[in-house]
Amino acid sequence: DIQVTQSPSSLSASVGDRVTITCRASQYIGSYLNWYQQKPGKAPKLLIYAASSLQSGVPSRFGGSGSGTDFTLTISSLQPEDFATYYCQQSYSVPRTFGQGTKVDIK
Amino acid sequence: QVQLQESGPGLVKPSQTLSLACTVSGASVNSGSYYWSWIRQPAGKGLEWIGRMYTSGTITYNPSLESRVTISVDTSKNQFSLELSSVTAADTAIYYCAKETSGGRDYFDYWGQGTLVTVSS
Repeated sequence: DIQVTQSPSSLSASVGDRVTITCRASQYIGSYLNWYQQKPGKAPKLLIYAASSLQSGVPSRFGGSGSGTDFTLTISSLQPEDFATYYCQQSYSVPRTFGQGTKVDIK
Repeated sequence: QVQLQESGPGLVKPSQTLSLACTVSGASVNSGSYYWSWIRQPAGKGLEWIGRMYTSGTITYNPSLESRVTISVDTSKNQFSLELSSVTAADTAIYYCAKETSGGRDYFDYWGQGTLVTVSS
C-alpha cells in the first residue's frame, strides 16, 4: 500500500493567514493526489484533484502543488468557513489511501 | 446533480454481518466511467477505503478487509451494497458511500452523508 503522510497534524491560524499543509507519499505517485475538506458531522468535500486542479465551485484561495512524492495545499487567505480538517488522498493505485488529516483551528 | 444516500441498521452485534445500501440518483451504477466506493471513518479518526465497484461490475477490495467484505449491485434499484462479516467493536465507524470519477485522474467527487454503525451487544 502507498502511505500518505500529512503535516502538521494540527495548526492554529487567524483569519487572513496564509496556511500551508504538506503531504508526502511513500513512493512516486505522479500527480495522482487529491485534497478534501471535512467539517464536523459532514462528509469530506473535494477541493483539489490531480495535485493542482481546482474542483468546480471551490474558492480560488485554495491551491495545490507538487508531483512525485511531495505535495502542498495552500489557503492563501484563511476565511472563517475554512476552519476544518483537511485530508490528502492518493489515486495512483489501490487500495486508495488517505493522509491522517490536518485540523485547522482558530488561533 | 449526483446524490448518494446510505441506509441500513445503526447497531450490529459482534460477530454478525454489517449490511448497508447506497442509493444513487443522478447517475447510473452500471454506466459511465465511475467507481462506486465504500469508505469508513471511526469517530475522531481518519478515512479508510473499503472497496469499490466499477460500472462494468469489476470489484476491488482493500486487502486489509478483503476476507470479510462483499460489495454488490442492484441495478433495478440503482443501488450498491456493502456487507462486512464477523464484525467487532473495531468496525464501529461512520460508513460513507462515494462516487469516484475515473479517467486518468481519479477522485471522489460525490459522497453520501454517512451513516454511523455501532458494533455492540
